[in-house]
Amino acid sequence: LAKTTQPISMDSYEGQEVNITCSHNNIATNDYITWYQQFPSQGPRFIIQGYKTKVTNEVASLFIPADRKSSTLSLPRVSLSDTAVYYCLVGDVSRSSASKIIFGSGTRLSIRP
Amino acid sequence: SQTIHQWPATLVQPVGSPLSLECTVEGTSNPNLYWYRQAAGRGLQLLFYSVGIGQISSEVPQNLSASRPQDRQFILSSKKLLLSDSGFYLCAWSIRDPETQYFGPGTRLLVL
Repeated sequence: LAKTTQPISMDSYEGQEVNITCSHNNIATNDYITWYQQFPSQGPRFIIQGYKTKVTNEVASLFIPADRKSSTLSLPRVSLSDTAVYYCLVGDVSRSSASKIIFGSGTRLSIRP
Repeated sequence: SQTIHQWPATLVQPVGSPLSLECTVEGTSNPNLYWYRQAAGRGLQLLFYSVGIGQISSEVPQNLSASRPQDRQFILSSKKLLLSDSGFYLCAWSIRDPETQYFGPGTRLLVL
């Protein structure tokens, strides 16, 4: 499983667009990129998953450059309720083993009024 | 739709006492099931996962054990709790791939 590196923390303000970047230099050909969101005292929540270029859903967008060595989670117009920890995971969804799933420390995003 | 339940929500136990945490999933069949532990301010540590009834894989040697007596039931147990067992315990399930997991509300355990 490709190792990922994320900033430990980020701060922003309500109404701003927030971009959280994850580095995964040794990503493999069949690996997908998955992002989770975790609020205090709750389990992580699946946000978005992608393989290349851009993926968008009702919550966020995921931008993946051509070399796929990094990815950026984009949260449009954040609110206070977006304050949470965000985790980036990389793995081969077709045949990866659960034992290789690693939730690191994530990025602690704090939104201010 | 699928739902996942965990209980109890919080638990305070003395050192040396037994533990049983239960997790059940509704609305799906033959899910993969997972137990994680999260220390305060830290990431998630995978403890056990199961791909079917009676099939348990352990990731970290410890005094905890897991069982899957039914397809959608996953139990985390200990015969004698240690102080270091305190933490936030999360159960999760997946169908399509291990990268897409759905988590329960968690159980906060405090061992005194």
